[in-house]
Amino acid sequence: AQSVTQLDSQVPVFEEAPVELRCNYSSSVSVYLFWYVQYPNQGLQLLLKYLSGSTLVKGINGFEAEFNKSQTSFHLRKPSVHISDTAEYFCAVSESGGYQKVTFGIGTKLQVIP
Amino acid sequence: DVKVTQSSRYLVKRTGEKVFLECVQDMDHENMFWYRQDPGLGLRLIYFSYDVKMKEKGDIPEGYSVSREKKERFSLILESASTNQTSMYLCGTGLNEKLFFGSGTQLSVL
Repeated sequence: AQSVTQLDSQVPVFEEAPVELRCNYSSSVSVYLFWYVQYPNQGLQLLLKYLSGSTLVKGINGFEAEFNKSQTSFHLRKPSVHISDTAEYFCAVSESGGYQKVTFGIGTKLQVIP
Repeated sequence: DVKVTQSSRYLVKRTGEKVFLECVQDMDHENMFWYRQDPGLGLRLIYFSYDVKMKEKGDIPEGYSVSREKKERFSLILESASTNQTSMYLCGTGLNEKLFFGSGTQLSVL
């Protein structure tokens, strides 16, 4: 069975500072990896995804993540955050191929401090 | 862009009531799903559906059932609501490469 661990439940960071949100996963097969973002009072939307190929994935709003198979990690980074990045971020994993169940982590609340 | 509409943003029900949560998607996707979101627990899959009249249990199906009579509509049913079903319910569609979510229904069971 697959699982996702988000190591930080809350991350406060000052505006224009860099941020890293950590995610580790567990699976016995090939996986797809995702980061979703949830702004207040909204549903989730896809930030970026790794399906195959280059391990460095770029997403919307200046975010990027790096797939590290040996460390089973998929950390999310942004070099300079804005107030508008305040949201909850969910790491997710699914087995590759066809329609497979997507398993989400518990979420990390990013609070950008002006 | 895909639009997923959940019929209610907020819902308050009493213990023992039968509750219907409705979800409609406008993209003719075959797959639809229901998650519940709780603080500290993230999103947990309740049920998903591959096609009309087809359903599969997710990780926490107990206390819930679903109905999919038409491709665009996927309903979550709480046969007898209980206080531990107070939660945010998220419906959506898509393949595992990309999921599209509605804005959620916050259900309170009193």
